[in-house]
Amino acid sequence: EAAVTQSPRNKVAVTGGKVTLSCNQTNNHNNMYWYRQDTGHGLRLIHYSYGAGSTEKGDIPDGYKASRPSQENFSLILELATPSQTSVYFCASGDSSGNTLYFGEGSRLIVV
Amino acid sequence: GEKVEQHQSTLSVREGDSAVINCTYTDTASSYFPWYKQEAGKSLHFVIDIRSNVDRKQSQRLTVLLDKKAKRFSLHITATQPEDSAIYFCAASMDSNYQLIWGSGTKLIIKP
Repeated sequence: EAAVTQSPRNKVAVTGGKVTLSCNQTNNHNNMYWYRQDTGHGLRLIHYSYGAGSTEKGDIPDGYKASRPSQENFSLILELATPSQTSVYFCASGDSSGNTLYFGEGSRLIVV
Repeated sequence: GEKVEQHQSTLSVREGDSAVINCTYTDTASSYFPWYKQEAGKSLHFVIDIRSNVDRKQSQRLTVLLDKKAKRFSLHITATQPEDSAIYFCAASMDSNYQLIWGSGTKLIIKP
């Protein structure tokens, strides 16, 4: 069974603070993704990675950085959090064929 | 760029009836169309997909139809059960190796 775990699951951050969302996958998948989910918008791609050391900008990368230090780990970094970044964030992994994505449980972030 | 639309934000059907969730897309180059399910408070998981070389694919109670002329694809669920209640997301990409563009989701409610 594919496994993608995210931490923290819930986070309250202050405006201007730094937030790091972590994602670990045990699927040995090359590709990893960070999405945010907001009502009425579905899933929007923030950053993705094709493997260790690689990060690519998705559709809405502004205000976010990503880091892929290893095959297993992919982090999303908000250097200066803003209330507009309040959302639910999902990490996903997929193999190089690009077929099925396996999602983590989500991280709910509130920026006050 | 590609846009994927789900015009039904909510769909309510009686248990045992069929449900049809529709999506449209804009890019004629799109060739891969997966569907994902998100149960309340949980993550997303893959349910079924279709590629543009076929116009129909069935898996148990689920059938996906693809109309390339109309740039429309739909998920049909027969003999609905309470556990079918969820938000269903459609997506499209040019190929399984390309990034998915997601619809905004349709909440399916199964009434007793």
